[in-house]
Amino acid sequence: EVQLVESGGGLVQPGGSLRLSCAASGFTFSSYWMHWVRQAPGKGLVWVSRIKNDGSITSYADSVEGRFTISRDNAKNTLYLQMNSLRAEDTAVYYCARDGISSGWSNDYWGQGTLVTVSS
Amino acid sequence: EIVLTQSPGTLSLSPGERATLSCRASQSVTSNYLAWYQQKPGQAPRLLIYGASIRATGIPDRFSGSGSGTDFTLTISRLEPEDFAVYYCQQYGNSPRTFGQGTKVEIK
Repeated sequence: EVQLVESGGGLVQPGGSLRLSCAASGFTFSSYWMHWVRQAPGKGLVWVSRIKNDGSITSYADSVEGRFTISRDNAKNTLYLQMNSLRAEDTAVYYCARDGISSGWSNDYWGQGTLVTVSS
Repeated sequence: EIVLTQSPGTLSLSPGERATLSCRASQSVTSNYLAWYQQKPGQAPRLLIYGASIRATGIPDRFSGSGSGTDFTLTISRLEPEDFAVYYCQQYGNSPRTFGQGTKVEIK
């Protein structure tokens, strides 16, 4: 069974840093592109970042470019999101999601999310 | 960036009725790489449709997707109680991936 489990969220002050993790199981993690998607309280879904299966290609939404860094450790089956210079508008539930090879590269599996709150 | 506009914002229907949700793109979606997701309160999104019209694994056949280019539709033929939720469209053919703002299907 495919599972994605996020962790690392919490309360952080503006300007602070946080690292999110997404532990993957039930599939060959090293074969899949992975994404981070966030959802502010009561709002819609917003794509944040993606990383190629081998980690060689990354891309970011303009709103986080230069502040967030996506990475992965295929030996540990884990995806990361390093978030620096956090702002109040980064407050959201952060989901990791898999690109489905057999679902046309849409996001076929999602974690349950981890809440990040940026506030003083 | 491709902007996706969903309509209506809220759809008030009764169980057994047909739901028709619209997603319009600001430019043509590459290779019809358009997906639909369902999200219930406190839960992660669930993939329903990809490639504009292909049902994901395990999705009931009362869900169907159609459309191409800039205009796409999700149809729920007969609403079941568990179908009342928020639905998002997403284009994944162009970077950055973008989502529509969502359509809430609520019980009338």
